[in-house]
Amino acid sequence: EAGVVQSPRYKIIEKKQPVAFWCNPISGHNTLYWYRQNLGQGPELLIRYENEEAVDDSQLPKDRFSAERLKGVDSTLKIQPAELGDSAVYLCASSSRRDRWEETQYFGPGTRLLVL
Amino acid sequence: GDSVTQMEGPVTLSEEAFLTINCTYTATGYPSLFWYVQYPGEGLQLLLKATKADDKGSNKGFEATYRKETTSFHLEKGSVQVSDSAVYFCALRAGTYKYIFGTGTRLKVLA
Repeated sequence: EAGVVQSPRYKIIEKKQPVAFWCNPISGHNTLYWYRQNLGQGPELLIRYENEEAVDDSQLPKDRFSAERLKGVDSTLKIQPAELGDSAVYLCASSSRRDRWEETQYFGPGTRLLVL
Repeated sequence: GDSVTQMEGPVTLSEEAFLTINCTYTATGYPSLFWYVQYPGEGLQLLLKATKADDKGSNKGFEATYRKETTSFHLEKGSVQVSDSAVYFCALRAGTYKYIFGTGTRLKVLA
C-alpha cells in the first residue's frame, strides 16, 4: 500500500511570494490533516478534513493560509504571501475513520519550506 | 487545555543500554496515547499506542504503559541500537480527533 505522498519535498522562496504544497493521502482514508512543524518542536495542527469538508480550521491563519480538498482526496495548502516566520516543515497525514478507537494517523515525509 | 510534556533531549546512550523517555500528559476525559518516531528528513511514523488505562503498547522492542494514576506514558527499550537514533514524540488524541504532540526527544545511540 502506498503511503502519504507530498510534494515538493523542499521549497525555497523569497518573502511575499506565494507557495503551495500538495498531498495525496492513503487510498480510502477520508480524514486528512495538515500540520506545521517548527524546528525542534512537535507538529501543530493547521486544518483537518473529513472527506471534502474542513471540520477543524481553528488554527489556520486565514489571512494568508488557505487549503482545499476537492473531491475528498488530494489536498493543497497555500500560503500567500509567505513571511519569514512561515519557514517550517509542513506535514500531511491521513487516517481512516472506520473505528474511532483504532484510528491511526499516517504521515507523509513533509515539505520543508525556507522563506528568505 | 490538553498538553503533553516530555523530557528534553538529547539523550545519548551507548549501544545495548536501557532507554527511558518520560512523557506525562494533561487531558480531560480519557485520551488515547501514542509514541511516534521521526528519522532525519522523514515524516512521523507510529511506533506504538494505547487507548485505555493500563494498556501496554509495544513494537520493535519498545514499550509504554498507559498510567492513568500518574498521567504518564513513558517509553522504554531494554537494549537500544544505533539504528534507534531518531526523534521520539509523545502524543495524545482527545475525543474529537485532535492530536496534541510533545516537543520531541532526540535520541543518539553510539556504537
